[in-house]
Amino acid sequence: AQTVTQSQPEMSVQEAETVTLSCTYDTSESNYYLFWYKQPPSRQMILVIRQEAYKQQNATENRFSVNFQKAAKSFSLKISDSQLGDTAMYFCAFRGSGNTGKLIFGQGTTLQVKP
Amino acid sequence: AAGVIQSPRHLIKEKRETATLKCYPIPRHDTVYWYQQGPGQDPQFLISFYEKMQSDKGSIPDRFSAQQFSDYHSELNMSSLELGDSALYFCASSLTPTRQVFHGYTFGSGTRLTVV
Repeated sequence: AQTVTQSQPEMSVQEAETVTLSCTYDTSESNYYLFWYKQPPSRQMILVIRQEAYKQQNATENRFSVNFQKAAKSFSLKISDSQLGDTAMYFCAFRGSGNTGKLIFGQGTTLQVKP
Repeated sequence: AAGVIQSPRHLIKEKRETATLKCYPIPRHDTVYWYQQGPGQDPQFLISFYEKMQSDKGSIPDRFSAQQFSDYHSELNMSSLELGDSALYFCASSLTPTRQVFHGYTFGSGTRLTVV
């Protein structure tokens, strides 16, 4: 069974600085999808970034980028120029290659951006 | 753009009562997923439906049941409610991958269920 592990329950960063959130996963599949979701206090689940396992290039979305290490089964999220609005819970999630695959979430990391 | 609609947004029920949560997926999405998220916890997969048939089952209690209707909306029925069922219930929808490419999930805003 696939598992997703986020080993940092809480992190904080000063505004405008850079922070990296860690995520590791376990799977026997070779083709899959990885996601980072942001959940602010409103608890809406917002997609931050996604990575297809067959793509070697790391995904980037503006201030957000990932470091995808397939062999190490690691998928970290880097947030550059942190903003107060980045304060939220961040979930790493895994989807297998099946047609109707569910998302498997990590335990989450609470990020606090300080002014 | 149309989003995933969940109703109601908030629900308060007493122990042993029943509750029905509804989810209206994105038009043309053929798969619906239900998740339960307790306070301070990660979302846990409950059940999913593909083309109106149950496609996968997770940690859904026997007191819960769900179905997907001909118009693709889905309902989660919860009976004999317990205090521990208090949680945020998310619905998400997706489209079956085309040419092995998965296009992503769309989440609803959730139904916050409080059992008292």
